[in-house]
Amino acid sequence: KNEVEQSPQNLTAQEGEFITINCSYSVGISALHWLQQHPGGGIVSLFMLSSGKKKHGRLIATINIQEKHSSLHITASHPRDSAVYICAVSPWDDKIIFGKGTRLHILP
Amino acid sequence: KAGVTQTPRYLIKTRGQQVTLSCSPISGHRSVSWYQQTPGQGLQFLFEYFSETQRNKGNFPGRFSGRQFSNSRSEMNVSTLELGDSALYLCASSLGPKKETQYFGPGTRLLVL
Repeated sequence: KNEVEQSPQNLTAQEGEFITINCSYSVGISALHWLQQHPGGGIVSLFMLSSGKKKHGRLIATINIQEKHSSLHITASHPRDSAVYICAVSPWDDKIIFGKGTRLHILP
Repeated sequence: KAGVTQTPRYLIKTRGQQVTLSCSPISGHRSVSWYQQTPGQGLQFLFEYFSETQRNKGNFPGRFSGRQFSNSRSEMNVSTLELGDSALYLCASSLGPKKETQYFGPGTRLLVL
């Protein structure tokens, strides 16, 4: 079993829909990261969370430390949001562990 | 401020050769981490350097090594290349060692034939 599990693996939605991507992890962590990877490979760090909730534009990330679970939400989704979203955790030994990613495709 | 740069961007090598990849972090950033991305395994942590010291190492064989210079630039080296080393190698920099927001480079795509 992977230490970081993401769901769904693939998601196709219509423009404007509310999107939720989930991440569950099984290790103790100091922080959780959400990353975005566009075709061609470039990765952008979206959020780093250790508790609660963060918001940036149309993106919202939440984390529940007790349940070892985080969600990434996208409101009013747009085709430019199409990308792979990757959840990663920083365990206490600082060896960051990545999920397999969620491939999101937003149709116009 | 210039972003993280990696050179070369593309590389083709044959089995048994060695390769050196370079990463220049954002000015002022002292932490550099290296990652390998393959279709099968996804992203995996290779190692992290902070102030010229290796802070952490992932579960990769000793053929994978790295170093960091006094100007925070980092190199990673893979010796005795294997076909399975074909991957996208990404480096990321951050201000300090606790992986507060990391800034990723564009990656070096290595193909081993």
